[in-house]
Amino acid sequence: GNSVTQMEGPVTLSEEAFLTINCTYTATGYPSLFWYVQYPGEGLQLLLKATKADDKGSNKGFEATYRKETTSFHLEKGSVQVSDSAVYFCALSEVYNFNKFYFGSGTKLNVKP
Amino acid sequence: NAGVTQTPKFQVLKTGQSMTLQCAQDMNHNSMYWYRQDPGMGLRLIYYSASEGTTDKGEVPNGYNVSRLNKREFSLRLESAAPSQTSVYFCASSDKNYGYTFGSGTRLTVV
Repeated sequence: GNSVTQMEGPVTLSEEAFLTINCTYTATGYPSLFWYVQYPGEGLQLLLKATKADDKGSNKGFEATYRKETTSFHLEKGSVQVSDSAVYFCALSEVYNFNKFYFGSGTKLNVKP
Repeated sequence: NAGVTQTPKFQVLKTGQSMTLQCAQDMNHNSMYWYRQDPGMGLRLIYYSASEGTTDKGEVPNGYNVSRLNKREFSLRLESAAPSQTSVYFCASSDKNYGYTFGSGTRLTVV
């Protein structure tokens, strides 16, 4: 079946540190992959996505590359800010059934000044 | 502003009471969803509606019912609330090319 596994949090970093949040997936076929971000008290917002192998999604300084060979979609940012403190969710959608969406359990990021 | 609107934002119920969570989207999306979010468990799909007039069960449908009233609106009903239904509920709609758009959530406490 389909599933998404994320590194457990919380992750605590100092401002300007490098961020990596690991995400691996199990899927039949070639799913689309997403990262969502949830700020305190809010709903999830799409951060970036990639729809095929070797695609790189990017937004607001965050990047993730769709790696088919390692079934991974790790989220990275070169220099985090306090405002990046949030919960990050990795997700996949089935290729032929977009209504089937699978979320990871979320990784909380705390950035300290 | 375009998006997904959920009401209410907060609700406290007594065990056995009923209530309906409302959701509306103005993006002309065909698909709509209800999720619940619990600590350490991520998001779990309760029900979804792939198009107006259709609904399907998700991962955790027991204790809930839904209605796709029209293309814009998708409501979630708890007929007899239980403490296990204390959670944060999110409505979402989707476009195949863009992904999901989420509402801001309803924080429900059942005492």
